[in-house]
Amino acid sequence: GAGVSQSPRYKVAKRGQDVALRCDPISGHVSLFWYQQALGQGPEFLTYFQNEAQLDKSGLPSDRFFAERPEGSVSTLKIQRTQQEDSAVYLCASSLLAGSETQYFGPGTRLLVL
Amino acid sequence: GNSVTQMEGPVTLSEEAFLTINCTYTATGYPSLFWYVQYPGEGLQLLLKATKADDKGSNKGFEATYRKETTSFHLEKGSVQVSDSAVYFCALSNAGGTSYGKLTFGQGTILTVHP
Repeated sequence: GAGVSQSPRYKVAKRGQDVALRCDPISGHVSLFWYQQALGQGPEFLTYFQNEAQLDKSGLPSDRFFAERPEGSVSTLKIQRTQQEDSAVYLCASSLLAGSETQYFGPGTRLLVL
Repeated sequence: GNSVTQMEGPVTLSEEAFLTINCTYTATGYPSLFWYVQYPGEGLQLLLKATKADDKGSNKGFEATYRKETTSFHLEKGSVQVSDSAVYFCALSNAGGTSYGKLTFGQGTILTVHP
């Protein structure tokens, strides 16, 4: 595709529900990042994949957050037992090479937990 | 750890005014510095970057110079347009080692330009 795509664009969940957020990176991009952007704040790093390997998950806020990229392309961020504090925009970005400086961002998924 | 501090907004200007958005950083090693822009309803886009001290990044009339001595990367534009209204984020990354190029962002500055 022409760019990074994410789905759904908007998600409303009741507290305690599980959600899954999808990211389709640019074809052939090795690196994939997930960021969380709270309202009025800058994005914060969650996790990083190099192909299918999750090399850094230091930013995941709790064990309710889980991410995977099983075939080295599409990635899914899963949040179990959602809480109100999980409400944020979740951004996915990809870059061509490992350690490449230019990241291309998707439009984000806006999650609202009621 | 790494951190980025941006001047607080919002910033409101008239068309053709001069723009400065301040950005300072704290980082280990020699980070690369970025400005990203987020237009209403769109995703983050890279505006410009600089990879070493004294480098100047430029794009679409915007400029920023990597100042290691003051740990700053201020964004400037000589004459803003209404279409520049957006949220601007300063960011840094350490591409090497186990940082993998992950970005550390400032909190963002909302810019509104009036005709």
